[in-house]
Amino acid sequence: GENVEQHPSTLSVQEGDSAVIKCTYSDSASNYFPWYKQELGKRPQLIIDIRSNVGEKKDQRIAVTLNKTAKHFSLHITETQPEDSAVYFCAASISGLTGGGNKLTFGTGTQLKVEL
Amino acid sequence: AAGVIQSPRHLIKEKRETATLKCYPIPRHDTVYWYQQGPGQDPQFLISFYEKMQSDKGSIPDRFSAQQFSDYHSELNMSSLELGDSALYFCARSLGDWGTRSKDKNIQYFGAGTRLSVL
Repeated sequence: GENVEQHPSTLSVQEGDSAVIKCTYSDSASNYFPWYKQELGKRPQLIIDIRSNVGEKKDQRIAVTLNKTAKHFSLHITETQPEDSAVYFCAASISGLTGGGNKLTFGTGTQLKVEL
Repeated sequence: AAGVIQSPRHLIKEKRETATLKCYPIPRHDTVYWYQQGPGQDPQFLISFYEKMQSDKGSIPDRFSAQQFSDYHSELNMSSLELGDSALYFCARSLGDWGTRSKDKNIQYFGAGTRLSVL
């Protein structure tokens, strides 16, 4: 089955700096890669996703890049703010399956702390 | 508005007791997924349902069972509870084959979760 590795496990940056979180996946059939932000005790919230037919996607201060050949994808957050502090999870899935078989395999998470 | 309603939000049980967690996807015609998240861990896929049929199965113990009902709500039944079952249990929905655009089909939206504590 799919295995997703995520680094670093903790990341501390100064407000206004950029943060980069990297993930690798093992199953070449995976073609959908969402990123979730989770605050303590709360639900994971989708912040951005990318599909394998796209190399990069950007949404305001957040961007995701995908290298299919190397099987890795990254989350980039620019101009970080204290409210960006949370745990970020990458995930991988095989999309397009009929009958609902699109389970997510998550990375182990990155605790991002944005310091004033 | 679309979403996922989970109940109860908190549940405290003793070892060897049973628990039932409920999930209501809104709108109804959705694929439903159950995930377990232990303290400091990533969510782990348990089981999913599409059109009231089990569509995939992950690391779900034999002590757990689940189903999706005719009104599309889902229940996760847990028996012979163990201390290690203490976790956040999330239900997530996606549009599955009901998505209007193919790129919408796989987006999973999570409910607020049920925090199960086994004492």
